[in-house]
Amino acid sequence: GIQVEQSPPDLILQEGANSTLRCNFSDSVNNLQWFHQNPWGQLINLFYIPSGTKQNGRLSATTVATERYSLLYISSSQTTDSGVYFCAVRITGGGNKLTFGTGTQLKVEL
Amino acid sequence: DGGITQSPKYLFRKEGQNVTLSCEQNLNHDAMYWYRQDPGQGLRLIYYSQIVNDFQKGDIAEGYSVSREKKESFPLTVTSAQKNPTAFYLCASSDEGSYTEAFFGQGTRLTVV
Repeated sequence: GIQVEQSPPDLILQEGANSTLRCNFSDSVNNLQWFHQNPWGQLINLFYIPSGTKQNGRLSATTVATERYSLLYISSSQTTDSGVYFCAVRITGGGNKLTFGTGTQLKVEL
Repeated sequence: DGGITQSPKYLFRKEGQNVTLSCEQNLNHDAMYWYRQDPGQGLRLIYYSQIVNDFQKGDIAEGYSVSREKKESFPLTVTSAQKNPTAFYLCASSDEGSYTEAFFGQGTRLTVV
């Protein structure tokens, strides 16, 4: 099956710093989402981004499907950005099945 | 409000008992999913359903069962055959098709005592 690897696995930032999270996938995909899992376990939708670039406030994301990766940028990080960030993909021809990456644990400190 | 409701939020079960987790959505989505998350780990797919009265096994279906009798409901039963059922269970839904966005409920934490 498809492999979805995220890096780095863990990240500690000072408040105000910028960061880039990466999602690599091993097969052709036609759908990619980024989620933030808060400390209570809730998965918050950040981006639906099968290709191209999107921005939402301090967050932006870029997916280059032909090269099988996606990037999530966090600028001017805040303590509320702490949590786990997941990417999830649907492979081309795989129907609805959504496969999650390994996750990046982010901690933003004062 | 439109969304996905999972209940209960916390569930305790004795070993050897079956337990059913509820997932209801009012988003008019065709597809629904169940995932399991262990502490410090990612999400693994248990079962998914693309349409009423149809469902497919995911990567870790052993010890679980589902039904999809109504579009808005996709209950998950954790059976006594599941060897390590203590985990966080998340339900999601999306429109049918690959080019759709999935949304998640708030999850159920199941503990076997």
